[in-house]
Amino acid sequence: AQRVTQPEKLLSVFKGAPVELKCNYSYSGSPELFWYVQYSRQRLQLLLRHISRESIKGFTADLNKGETSFHLKKPFAQEEDSAMYYCAARRFQKLVFGTGTRLLVSP
Amino acid sequence: GAGVSQSPSNKVTEKGKDVELRCDPISGHTALYWYRQSLGQGLEFLIYFQGNSAPDKSGLPSDRFSAERTGGSVSTLTIQRTQQEDSAVYLCASTRGPETGELFFGEGSRLTVL
Repeated sequence: AQRVTQPEKLLSVFKGAPVELKCNYSYSGSPELFWYVQYSRQRLQLLLRHISRESIKGFTADLNKGETSFHLKKPFAQEEDSAMYYCAARRFQKLVFGTGTRLLVSP
Repeated sequence: GAGVSQSPSNKVTEKGKDVELRCDPISGHTALYWYRQSLGQGLEFLIYFQGNSAPDKSGLPSDRFSAERTGGSVSTLTIQRTQQEDSAVYLCASTRGPETGELFFGEGSRLTVL
């Protein structure tokens, strides 16, 4: 079955610390991978996608096909990074999300 | 409009009643999704519409749930005989087409079933 797993419900770090939000997927074939973010009182929005290989707001994510992972990383967390982060995978148009990880960055 | 619009933003209903949730996608977007967001469950896929193709209904949790999309634009999600476990935020999203994975989400409709 198609599945996206985010093992951590909550990740709490101090400002300036490195952050890694974990995501693993279980799919046949090669899905497209995405990270979406929802800041407090804002709409869910796209953060980045694996095909773009871009860095957005200092975040990067590398697709590891061997480990079927797509972890989101940032070397120095900022307070404004506090939000809910969802990993998602898409194959044949259907976008499947993980259960999300809440990131809390404390001063 | 500028973004995906959903109504109502909040709905409180009694168990057993029917509810309708509406979604107005971004003009020109041919694909439309419904998701359910609840604590601990993340974003649960419900249904997907693409143009005039038959919708992907594989995520609808029971036959009490149905959705339609009229004229390739506005969509309505209907929940019949609501149950307390239906309480959640129902999110609608649209995209330009099947080739893109960037979904544009609405603010959601929060449903509370008493």
